[in-house]
Amino acid sequence: QQQVKQSPQSLIVQKGGIPIINCAYENTAFDYFPWYQQFPGKGPALLIAIRPDVSEKKEGRFTISFNKSAKQFSLHIMDSQPGDSATYFCAASKGGTYKYIFGTGTRLKVLA
Amino acid sequence: GAVVSQHPSWVICKSGTSVKIECRSLDFQATTMFWYRQFPKQSLMLMATSNEGSKATYEQGVEKDKFLINHASLTLSTLTVTSAHPEDSSFYICSAFTGTVYEQYFGPGTRLTVT
Repeated sequence: QQQVKQSPQSLIVQKGGIPIINCAYENTAFDYFPWYQQFPGKGPALLIAIRPDVSEKKEGRFTISFNKSAKQFSLHIMDSQPGDSATYFCAASKGGTYKYIFGTGTRLKVLA
Repeated sequence: GAVVSQHPSWVICKSGTSVKIECRSLDFQATTMFWYRQFPKQSLMLMATSNEGSKATYEQGVEKDKFLINHASLTLSTLTVTSAHPEDSSFYICSAFTGTVYEQYFGPGTRLTVT
C-alpha cells in the first residue's frame, strides 16, 4: 500500500514531442504528489506538484493530470527539448508525516 | 530561495573508517531533514527522518548504529557513516522541509566511495 508504481522505465522521444510518464498509488491517505527531475550526479529538483482536489495543474511546459478515482497521476512535458533529458521521479506524501514515497523513476531521452 | 547544500560532494574513504556528511539549509530554517540513499539508476530510498533537537527516526532495515544522524540546529543535519564498508558506497542525498509547505528541497548529493 505504500508503493508508488511508475512507468515507463525509460522513454525516448523526438524534440518537440510530448513524453508522458505515469504513476499509480494505492494508499488513499496520500495527499501530495510532486514530480522531481534529476540529472546524473545531482540532487532531485522539484518540477511541479499537485493536491488531490485538483485534476490538472500546469507550470510552463509541465502538466500534471490527476485521476483521484483511478488513483493515478501523470506528467506531460510539452514541446520537449534535449535539455529535458533526465530521470523523472514521481512521489507521494501523506499529510502529517511529510515523508515521500518515490516511484522507481523514468529515464527520458529527447533526441535533437 | 530554498537552497540546500551538502558537504562534501564527493568523498573516498578506506574500509573501517568513518565519514561525516553535512546537510545545510542556506536560506531557511528546516524543522525536518530527510536522508536518502540512491544506488546507480535506482530510486531514492529514505533512510531516516531528522528533527531538530530530537533523535532521528530510522526506516525499517536501516542500521541506526552505522548511520548516525544528528540535527543540532534548524539549518544543519549530519550523517556519519561509521566503520564504512565497500557496500556502503552510494549516493547520499538530504532534503529539508520547512514545516509550512509540503515541499522538500533536496541537496546536490554526496558520492561516497569506500575502498
